[in-house]
Amino acid sequence: AIRMTQSPSSFSASTGDRVTITCRASQGISSYLAWYQQKPGKAPKLLIYAASTLQSGVPSRFSGSGSGTDFTLTISCLQSEDFATYYCQQYYSYPRTFGGGTKVEIK
Amino acid sequence: QVQLQESGPGLVKPSETLSLTCTVSGGSVSSGSYYWSWIRQPPGKGLEWIGYIYYSGSTNYNPSLKSRVTISVDTSKNQFSLKLSSVTAADTAVYYCAREHATAVAGTDYWGQGTLVTVSS
Repeated sequence: AIRMTQSPSSFSASTGDRVTITCRASQGISSYLAWYQQKPGKAPKLLIYAASTLQSGVPSRFSGSGSGTDFTLTISCLQSEDFATYYCQQYYSYPRTFGGGTKVEIK
Repeated sequence: QVQLQESGPGLVKPSETLSLTCTVSGGSVSSGSYYWSWIRQPPGKGLEWIGYIYYSGSTNYNPSLKSRVTISVDTSKNQFSLKLSSVTAADTAVYYCAREHATAVAGTDYWGQGTLVTVSS
């Protein structure tokens, strides 16, 4: 199985900050990578697919980049509603695998 | 708007079989464009992909669970189901049903709200 490693596992930030989360795959996955946002008690929400394509309805302050093994999720100007846990997932091969998550907390 | 809703017992005894059903509305499990998936999340932990079923009945399971998992589809009811046998406390989790694009282009775009299943005697 492809291992997905996210960093950092958690951090604190302030509203208005630019934040970047990294996801690394244990082998190349082309651009078959998705990012999800999860808030407590809720299902994950798809933010980005194909590494950099914004899902319909997702604010443009979210962006994704990367291909192969290294990927990033950037939030250009953190809003209060963005404090959540973020997961990457590869859908290049089976089994599908997720990163361990990055929790973004309020500073 | 596609909606998925999980249903089933919230408490299962150790060694028994966990059974959940996902009812799809606003879309069809008979569509050849999607895989219908199950994903779980132990309390306070990350996400684990369990497997999927295609409308044709073909399946793909996580090898870590393959010996215990069965996913089936009922196109007449627009539902798909999960059975996980010989459960232990380690299977306690929120179980999500979800829809994944079969073209491997767009990821998993719709999720149910999740249902907590506790394994305990």
